Amino acid sequence: SQQGEEDPQALSIQEGENATMNCSYKTSINNLQWYRQNSGRGLVHLILIRSNEREKHSGRLRVTLDTSKKSSSLLITASRAADTASYFCATDGSYKLTFGKGTLLTVNP
Amino acid sequence: GAGVSQSPSNKVTEKGKDVELRCDPISGHTALYWYRQSLGQGLEFLIYFQGNSAPDKSGLPSDRFSAERTGGSVSTLTIQRTQQEDSAVYLCASSLLAGPSSYEQYFGPGTRLTVT
Repeated sequence: SQQGEEDPQALSIQEGENATMNCSYKTSINNLQWYRQNSGRGLVHLILIRSNEREKHSGRLRVTLDTSKKSSSLLITASRAADTASYFCATDGSYKLTFGKGTLLTVNP
Repeated sequence: GAGVSQSPSNKVTEKGKDVELRCDPISGHTALYWYRQSLGQGLEFLIYFQGNSAPDKSGLPSDRFSAERTGGSVSTLTIQRTQQEDSAVYLCASSLLAGPSSYEQYFGPGTRLTVT
C-alpha cells in the first residue's frame, strides 16, 4: 500500500518561477526522502529529512517536515526547464521506502 | 564511482515465458531492493535483501516472482510464466545501510519489461 501522497498530481509553471509540491503520509516515520524521475526510468535521490528535523536546504531545494501534520513540502526555487520531471516523496518507517504516485512538474521555457 | 546497473534495459517477452532481470548494486552497499513501477503508478516494493539475513519477500505479488542475491552482491529477479499485467519498469536500488538510520537509496536505470 502507498503511504506518501503527493499533491498536486501535476504542476505546470514558467521558467524562473518557484514550484511547491506537497506530500502527506499516514504512519510514523524515521525519515522522509524526495526523489526525481526523468522519463519513467531510474530515480535520483534529492534530499533526506529526518523526523527530528523541520527544514532542510540543498541548493535550490527546500524541504520542510511537519510530523504533527504528517506532511512535507518540496520547494524548488528559480525553476529551470531541466527541472521537468516527476517528483516522489518516500517515507521510511523501517528499511523499505513507500512511495507516493508523484507530482509531474513541467517547467516551460 | 559506478552506480547501480541493471540488465537488460528493455525486455520484450511472450506471455507464458520466464524472464530474468539482473541488478548490480554499488560496491559495498549491503542493502538491495527491487521495486516495480507500472504505467502512471508509483513505485511498488517487491523484495529487500540485507547482508546475509533472510530477504523480506512481503512485496512479491505472486509465487511466480522470486529473487536471489548471490554472494551479497548481484541480484536476479525471476518472473515465471509471465502475464501481461507483469509489464512494468523494474527498478533495483541499493543503500549503504538499512534500518532506523537508513541512508538514501541509489536506483538503477530500470528494466522495462513488456509482455505481449
